[in-house]
Amino acid sequence: EVVMTQSPATLSMSPGERATLSCRASQSVSSNLAWYQQKPGQAPRLLIYGASTRATGIPARFSGSGSGTEFTLTISSLQSEDFAVYYCQQYNNWPRCFGGGTKVEIK
Amino acid sequence: QVQLQESGPGLVKPSQTLSLTCTVSGDSINSGPYYWSWIRQPAGERLEWIGRIFASGSTNYSPSLNSRVTMSVDTSKNQFSLRLSSVTAADTAMYYCVREYKRAAYFDYWGQGTLVTVSS
Repeated sequence: EVVMTQSPATLSMSPGERATLSCRASQSVSSNLAWYQQKPGQAPRLLIYGASTRATGIPARFSGSGSGTEFTLTISSLQSEDFAVYYCQQYNNWPRCFGGGTKVEIK
Repeated sequence: QVQLQESGPGLVKPSQTLSLTCTVSGDSINSGPYYWSWIRQPAGERLEWIGRIFASGSTNYSPSLNSRVTMSVDTSKNQFSLRLSSVTAADTAMYYCVREYKRAAYFDYWGQGTLVTVSS
């Protein structure tokens, strides 16, 4: 079973700063990786699929990169609405699985 | 606009069966390249994929839950359901019903979630 590890667990940032979130897979998942954003009391929202393709309606400040075992989600300039928890998910292998999440909090 | 809505008891006793239904609106369960999935999230923990069902009734379940999970679909009502047997406190979680894009297996539409607590 693939294990997804996200780092750091918490990222303390100020609005306007650039945020870089990492996701590592225990074995190659090719480019079959998605990123989700979850705010308190809400369901997760799809941000990125195919490692780098933004989902419909997602702002251009969100970008994804990587393949194989190392992936990155970058938020180019943090807006107030971006402070949330972010999860990566692989869909290359069974069972589908998620990382433990990175919380982006206001510094 | 696709919408999913979970329904079912919020409290289940240990050893009993958890039953949830998801009602889909804005899309037909029969149409399009989609699976219909269940995902859960214990408080403060990571998301866990439970399983999925296609409109034809074919299913895939997580190996860790396979022996206790049953999913079904009612295309006439545009609903799909989850049953999880022999529940324990470890099954206490927020349960989400989700649409999964068949060709790539990412989750593009989520229900708001329903909290199920296992307690006597």
